[in-house]
Formats: sequence, structure tokens, C-alpha cells
Amino acid sequence: GQNIDQPTEMTATEGAIVQINCTYQTSGFNGLFWYQQHAGEAPTFLSYNVLDGLEEKGRFSSFLSRSKGYSYLLLKELQMKDSASYLCAVVDSNYQLIWGAGTKLIIKP
Amino acid sequence: GAVVSQHPSRVICKSGTSVKIECRSLDFQATTMFWYRQFPKQSLMLMATSNEGSKATYEQGVEKDKFLINHASLTLSTLTVTSAHPEDSSFYICSARVGDSDTGELFFGEGSRLTVL
Repeated sequence: GQNIDQPTEMTATEGAIVQINCTYQTSGFNGLFWYQQHAGEAPTFLSYNVLDGLEEKGRFSSFLSRSKGYSYLLLKELQMKDSASYLCAVVDSNYQLIWGAGTKLIIKP
Repeated sequence: GAVVSQHPSRVICKSGTSVKIECRSLDFQATTMFWYRQFPKQSLMLMATSNEGSKATYEQGVEKDKFLINHASLTLSTLTVTSAHPEDSSFYICSARVGDSDTGELFFGEGSRLTVL
């Protein structure tokens, strides 16, 4: 079967750095998305990785290792507004999106 | 980035009535749009893939006669929940893919919270 694993919840301190991991086992791979979702709102796009390596976008970076079936989202200089759920989603061989359950990130002052 | 607009954002209806939710891509043409529902504290569940000018592809377990999807133009897809019941109360979200690539970036609408009394 297809499976996306990410931690259910993480807590971090304002100003710190946090890494949210995502591991996947899917039938094929055509890219991996990270989305941010605030409670009661729709997800917003953060990043897309299809090649191995690190993609940096401001305070957010995303890393992919296809051989390990692994990705992480790195958030630097955490702000209170970063408190949200972070969803990992993989595009499989049929170009369908397989969604993880999301990681709820709690930022404390 | 691209903008996807969803309307209405909140709707309350009586059991047995039908509700239509619209999803529009405001500044790009979307050949493919997706409809999801999301229960509290759960991940997005794909309901159907909507392709402009053709019938929607429904995921297993989703009743196509209950959740009618129409994608009549490159900028509009609609989801109609027919004969709604309280168990249909949920957060419905649409997304649209930019470009023709199957790995094109997805942009989401704001979501529509449906409450069926």
C-alpha cells in the first residue's frame, strides 16, 4: 500500500529552528509537496521537490532524498504565525497526490 | 501566485436540500481541478478529479450521484451536494493545477464549510 508518515505534533520555541520529517512508500514518485494549513483554512503551497537536494525559500527550506523515500521541511527563525499544520504530499506514478495526515506545529514564546 | 476562489465560504442548509459550491481560477486556466473534503483534525481526502469538458473521476467510496461535479469551463468547477444530510457536514476544498503538467503546482481555494441541520 501507499503510505506517508510524518509526526503528529511538534513543539518549538519562537526564534528557533524546527525540522519536520516526512517518509513515504508510494507506487512511483513524481514529486513531493509541502503545504501549510492554518486551523479552519485551506492549505497554502510552500514547496515542491522532484530532484534530490535542498531547496531554500526564505525562512523555509525543503529537502528530498528519493533513494531514502525521505523529505524534510526546515523552518528557521520561527514566528508565532508559523503555528499551523504542515502537510506532506507525494505525487505517485499515476500522478495522484497521496497526502500525509499532517504535522501540527505549536510555537511557544 | 495563482488565485483560486471558492464560494460560498460557509453554508448552512436543511437536511434534504442541495448545495452548490463554486471553485474558480481567477488568473489562470485550469484544465484540472480537484475536490477534497476534510474532517476535523484529519488530512485531506480526495473526492474527485475534475477535467474541463469531460466527466469527473471519482475516488473509491465517493458517490457520484450525490456529489455532482461540473467543470464546464477552464476557470470554473462546481460541486453540488445533493440531498444533503448531517453526515455530509464537512470542510470542502477545491484546488486547481497550474499548467498542463501532471506535476504542476496546486493552488487551493479558501474552502467551504458545510453544515447540514
